[in-house]
Amino acid sequence: EDKVVQSPLSLVVHEGDTVTLNCSYEVTNFRSLLWYKQEKKAPTFLFMLTSSGIEKKSGRLSSILDKKELFSILNITATQTGDSAVYLCAVRKGGSRLTFGEGTQLTVNP
Amino acid sequence: GAGVSQSPRYKVAKRGQDVALRCDPISGHVSLFWYQQALGQGPEFLTYFQNEAQLDKSGLPSDRFFAERPEGSVSTLKIQRTQQEDSAVYLCASSPARFPGDTDTQYFGPGTRLTVL
Repeated sequence: EDKVVQSPLSLVVHEGDTVTLNCSYEVTNFRSLLWYKQEKKAPTFLFMLTSSGIEKKSGRLSSILDKKELFSILNITATQTGDSAVYLCAVRKGGSRLTFGEGTQLTVNP
Repeated sequence: GAGVSQSPRYKVAKRGQDVALRCDPISGHVSLFWYQQALGQGPEFLTYFQNEAQLDKSGLPSDRFFAERPEGSVSTLKIQRTQQEDSAVYLCASSPARFPGDTDTQYFGPGTRLTVL
């Protein structure tokens, strides 16, 4: 059975801290891994990763995939209160559906 | 349009009622997906359309759930004889992907929060 596991499930930090969110997966016929940010509305797309070892970066956020060890990390540096959200990891297989993890609830306190 | 839109945003139904949830995908997007998100969980796949063809409905939890996309744009998810366990947020996503397995990103709508009393 396909599995996507995120850790930690929740995390509370102070503004300015750096956080690392983890996503491990066990799926057959892996195609890509996606990260989304979900506040109290639609998940918004952050990154799509298909190749191992190539870091994707957008401002203070970055992500990398390890296809040998079957995991990805999402880093957020110099966190701000606006980063507070649920971060979802999803894996795409050979078809089109996404299989999501439970998400990591990040709370950034001032 | 600018993004995926869904209506209604909130729906309260009495147990046993039928509901219909609407999704307007991004204009020109070929692929459309429905997901169900229970409180505190990640979204779970329900069904997928390529244009008007429903290519995968393996995630629909029972035969009370039915989805259609008759003209290849707007889609409706219908739930018959709603039950309390149907309470969840129903998310719609669209993608320009033109064939199953194409790696295009899925863009999500704001969801419909369904509460069944």
